[in-house]
Amino acid sequence: AQKVTQAQTEISVVEKEDVTLDCVYETRDTTYYLFWYKQPPSGELVFLIRRNSFDEQNEISGRYSWNFQKSTSSFNFTITASQVVDSAVYFCALSVPANTGGFKTIFGAGTRLFVKA
Amino acid sequence: NAGVTQTPKFRVLKTGQSMTLLCAQDMNHEYMYWYRQDPGMGLRLIHYSVGEGTTAKGEVPDGYNVSRLKKQNFLLGLESAAPSQTSVYFCASEQRPWFEQFFGPGTRLTVL
Repeated sequence: AQKVTQAQTEISVVEKEDVTLDCVYETRDTTYYLFWYKQPPSGELVFLIRRNSFDEQNEISGRYSWNFQKSTSSFNFTITASQVVDSAVYFCALSVPANTGGFKTIFGAGTRLFVKA
Repeated sequence: NAGVTQTPKFRVLKTGQSMTLLCAQDMNHEYMYWYRQDPGMGLRLIHYSVGEGTTAKGEVPDGYNVSRLKKQNFLLGLESAAPSQTSVYFCASEQRPWFEQFFGPGTRLTVL
């Protein structure tokens, strides 16, 4: 069975600190996709990044960076120089082929990040 | 271009009542999803659709039914609401498999 674990339930940092959100996934599929979504206090879910199982290159987008390591089944997310606006719940998700011939997305429980001014 | 919209935004039901949640998207996406979000459990997939006229069960389908009569709409029905169905419901659409999902604003449902 597939699974996404975000072991950190809540993290609290002071503005300008760097913070890493951990994501560990489980699947036997060789083809899969990994995602990060952000849910700010307003409640909507916002897509941040997608990575396929064949592309282990790390990615940087402004203050955000992602570290994908298949050897440890991890897809960690780092925010550099955090800001108050980064306060949100962050979800890691895994998409895999489903038995029905379609596919399914499994979300982790989320990590709530508090950034204090 | 409204993206994904959900109706209603809030609803309070009594146990045993029925209701339908409407999801509409104007991006011509083939794939649509219904999730529920409960504290500490992330999002769990209820049902999904890979195209007009198709539906499939997700992780937690019991107590829910869905229909996709038109490509742009995906309806979620509760025939006999139970307090365990108190949750925030999110609809999402996706252009192709494994692309990013676009989410609606959510519907907060309370069943008393």
